[in-house]
Amino acid sequence: EVQVLESGGGLVQFGGSLRLSCAASGFTVYSNAMSWVRQAPGKGLEWVATISGSGSRTNYADFVKGRFSISRVNSENTMSLQMNSLRAEDTAMYYCAKDMGDSPAYNFDCWGQGTLVTVSS
Amino acid sequence: QSALTQPPSASGSPGQSVTISCTGTSSDVGGYNYVSWYQQHPGKAPKLMIYEVTKRPSGVPDRFSGSKSGNTASLTVSGLQAEDEADYYCSSYAGNNKGVFGTGTKVTVL
Repeated sequence: EVQVLESGGGLVQFGGSLRLSCAASGFTVYSNAMSWVRQAPGKGLEWVATISGSGSRTNYADFVKGRFSISRVNSENTMSLQMNSLRAEDTAMYYCAKDMGDSPAYNFDCWGQGTLVTVSS
Repeated sequence: QSALTQPPSASGSPGQSVTISCTGTSSDVGGYNYVSWYQQHPGKAPKLMIYEVTKRPSGVPDRFSGSKSGNTASLTVSGLQAEDEADYYCSSYAGNNKGVFGTGTKVTVL
């Protein structure tokens, strides 16, 4: 069964750092584009970052560029999001999402249950 | 990139149809056939319902259908059922390997 499982969320102070992980099973992370999508409490979905499959190209939403970094460890079949300089507005549930193909098309056919990040001031 | 525009709410009685719009620009919805729709029940992860404008993943009922005209995509749910009550989000490829989601629509089954 194709699954992804996020971990690493928690409470962090303003300006702090956190590293989220996404463990994949039932498929290999280098075969599909992978993304992080977040959802602030009571708000809508927001695309955060994407890493392509074989090419490992990365892209970021403007509001996280320079602060967040997405990466992948093929040998562990995991994907990560390093978040630095965290702000209150980064408080959200962070979902790992698998794209249907190698290149980003934003057709997310597998989502994790999310990991909650809370930034306190 | 700005969020795609969806109506905040939509409703229908059981058995009726409801259509949700998703309006973007020629740089996202209008420029690519990579529009997807997601269903999200409270406290749950989103679920892919439609991809590439009109395609249904395996397991999604054929009551769900998608279309696009110009910069506006639409999701139609026919034969509404109680379990269709949820939030629905559209998304689109926005060029330069970026993505964008819609503002979300809460569907209520009366």
